[in-house]
Amino acid sequence: DGGITQSPKYLFRKEGQNVTLSCEQNLNHDAMYWYRQDPGQGLRLIYYSQIVNDFQKGDIAEGYSVSREKKESFPLTVTSAQKNPTAFYLCASSMFPSGANVLTFGAGSRLTVL
Amino acid sequence: KNEVEQSPQNLTAQEGEFITINCSYSVGISALHWLQQHPGGGIVSLFMLSSGKKKHGRLIATINIQEKHSSLHITASHPRDSAVYICAPGEGGGADGLTFGKGTHLIIQP
Repeated sequence: DGGITQSPKYLFRKEGQNVTLSCEQNLNHDAMYWYRQDPGQGLRLIYYSQIVNDFQKGDIAEGYSVSREKKESFPLTVTSAQKNPTAFYLCASSMFPSGANVLTFGAGSRLTVL
Repeated sequence: KNEVEQSPQNLTAQEGEFITINCSYSVGISALHWLQQHPGGGIVSLFMLSSGKKKHGRLIATINIQEKHSSLHITASHPRDSAVYICAPGEGGGADGLTFGKGTHLIIQP
């Protein structure tokens, strides 16, 4: 079955460390997105990519980096520059890079900074 | 920036009840998404609509573009419907233009 796989599901990090969250999709979707979810808040967009080898900053990109070397993969690195990284991170994809179309989400990765 | 308000924030109901969740937004949009988030955190897309009404099983979503308002209805509610329901209006373009509501936490008691 097609879908989005995020790993790891849970991740603990010490302050000052970079960590990378994996997002892989086998849906042949063009666009991929990373969102952050904090308690009591709506999802916020970190980065998105509409095509391979191109990506754009979202609303809260500071302290994060991404790459899109393959259509299927869109990893997110949480750098030590991110001041408050503890959160739930969700990866999503959509078939087309623009226009209104349905989102498919991964199961999420929960990052805790110790 | 689109301001999104969902109501109620929390809702507890008995199995079988008719459920309504409301979503209001401040800026004109091209489409609105309704999403369901289960306790484990995964999110499923329920509806994407730009006008009128859509129905899928026991779920119905309506939207009034002029009034900037959408509703999600659940008929014959069941404990498995317990989840957080999120609305996300989009001003245009792709999913990068979505603004997500804070969600409505629904509990259906047997």
